[in-house]
Amino acid sequence: EAGVAQSPRYKIIEKRQSVAFWCNPISGHATLYWYQQILGQGPKLLIQFQNNGVVDDSQLPKDRFSAERLKGVDSTLKIQPAKLEDSAVYLCASSFASNHPDTQYFGPGTRLTVL
Amino acid sequence: AQRVTQPEKLLSVFKGAPVELKCNYSYSGSPELFWYVQYSRQRLQLLLRHISRESIKGFTADLNKGETSFHLKKPFAQEEDSAMYYCAPQSGANSKLTFGKGITLSVRP
Repeated sequence: EAGVAQSPRYKIIEKRQSVAFWCNPISGHATLYWYQQILGQGPKLLIQFQNNGVVDDSQLPKDRFSAERLKGVDSTLKIQPAKLEDSAVYLCASSFASNHPDTQYFGPGTRLTVL
Repeated sequence: AQRVTQPEKLLSVFKGAPVELKCNYSYSGSPELFWYVQYSRQRLQLLLRHISRESIKGFTADLNKGETSFHLKKPFAQEEDSAMYYCAPQSGANSKLTFGKGITLSVRP
């Protein structure tokens, strides 16, 4: 089966600019996750969608980050305006279900550098 | 607060040596426990989960509820085991996955 797709793979921007990342989950997976992975740390969940509804965005900095999952398939994550501390790898993952422990499948990630 | 700790950042062993990657967690309730792995230039992927009780690539993980630990073990390390390993408890109504900081395993020839 095709895996989780993400684009772009790399992005370099200056602080205060905006940026958007795109994710296409595995077909049939209802749950989609966005993680932020700062160098030297494990991935941190930013937001979790079940179909097109948000089920957890408690760690999303909502003053600058936004995410949507229209039609319950693809998703975009936006940062506006970016700060230096947003430099990280942004990972998208999907799973079949979210109401019980389930394997998450990860995309290749987008490496963001904010100058 | 829920917390997962991987106390070491790096473990370097020779091929054929035993490996133990430590993971301790502090959670209310009974989380499901996972180990994820990231090989060089590859995606983060599931290695094994406690509920499956299986051995993957020679690795096993024992849950010790008394010590709240879920250490990953392999009796004889191979060079292809070199990777970044993350312990990740999963719990809550939405099955939230929380990753540890990870440990780099380096297996030398």
